[in-house]
This record gives sequence, C-alpha cells and structure tokens, in this order.
Amino acid sequence: EDQVTQSPEALRLQEGESSSLNCSYTVSGLRGLFWYRQDPGKGPEFLFTLYSAGEEKEKERLKATLTKKESFLHITAPKPEDSATYLCAVQPPAYKYIFGTGTRLKVLA
Amino acid sequence: ETGVTQTPRHLVMGMTNKKSLKCEQHLGHNAMYWYKQSAKKPLELMFVYNFKEQTENNSVPSRFSPECPNSSHLFLHLHTLQPEDSALYLCASSQDLAGGPHNEQFFGPGTRLTVL
Repeated sequence: EDQVTQSPEALRLQEGESSSLNCSYTVSGLRGLFWYRQDPGKGPEFLFTLYSAGEEKEKERLKATLTKKESFLHITAPKPEDSATYLCAVQPPAYKYIFGTGTRLKVLA
Repeated sequence: ETGVTQTPRHLVMGMTNKKSLKCEQHLGHNAMYWYKQSAKKPLELMFVYNFKEQTENNSVPSRFSPECPNSSHLFLHLHTLQPEDSALYLCASSQDLAGGPHNEQFFGPGTRLTVL
C-alpha cells in the first residue's frame, strides 16, 4: 500500500537553529515527490518537486533531498516567517497524490 | 485574478441547507481536483476532473455533488451534510493527469466549512 509518513509531527526551533524534516514513503513506483508549505487557514503552496534519488533542490533557506525511501527538507537558519505546516506528497504511477499529515514548524524569535 | 481562487472562504450551514462551493483556475490547466482536509489527517482526494470529464470519485457520499462546466471552473454542491463534514475544502489544478515535470498540483486558499 502506498504510504507517506512525516516526522516529527511538530517542531519548535529558535531563530537561526537549523534542522530537518523527514518524509518517509513506500510507493509502488515513484513518479514524483512534492513538498508544500501551508499557512493556517490557507491552501498548500507548492515548494519543490523531486523525481529521482540523489536529486536536490533549493529555495532560499530550504533545501529538499531525495533517496529511494525518504526525503528531507532542510531548513538553514530559519526565521519566524518560516513557521508553517510543511506537507509532503508522493505521486505513484497514477495521477493521485498521497499526502502525509505534515510537520508543524514554529520558529521562535 | 491569478492562480486558483475559491469562494466562499468561509461557510456555515445547517444540516438541511443546500450550498455550493466554487473554484476557478487562471492557469490554463486541464485537470481540477477537490480535496477534504480535516485536522491531523492527510488531505483526502474527493473528485478529479480532466478536460471536464470526471475521472475519479473516491467513494465520496452522494451528499457531495461535483460539477465541472469547463476546464476553468469546478463546483462542489452540498446538501444534507453532517457535522463530521466540517473541514477545509481545497480545490487544486494541474496541467493534466500525466504527471511529470511542470505538472504539479496548485491549490486554492480553501473554503472553511462548518456544518451545524
């Protein structure tokens, strides 16, 4: 069964304290892995797509990496405005996305 | 307007009411989706339309009725809902269903639905 597990469920960081969020997945065949950011009361905002193991993508303080079993979202020197829920999704060989439950990140000033 | 828009942003309805949610995408996409997001649960795919044709009904109760008059507009008609249907309803769109590069799903802001 296709499945996505995100950890930790919640994370509190001090401003400038780097950390990583994990997305573990099992899927019959990976067409793509996606990271989204979601602010309270808003829809998910697309961040990255990763397609193959070893691939990396960066955007400002965020860097996403992919292996055959998991993806990491590394946050370097986070700021309070990085506080949000980060969602991971995988796309098996079909059009459906399988989402995780997200990691709620709080960055304290 | 740009991206994916949804109206209304908030909706409170009684169990006997009939209401509709509206989604419009300004991205030139051909596929549109309805998702349900409940607290501490993953996003649940409800319906999928591709080129106006419904391709997925993910065992959704008949009290939810989708409509897709064209590739830019998607509706979700609601009637005789239950309190457990209270959730954030998200609309998304993508170029089509093929997946692959530059075919990610983009989401609207959602409609926060409360059923009394």
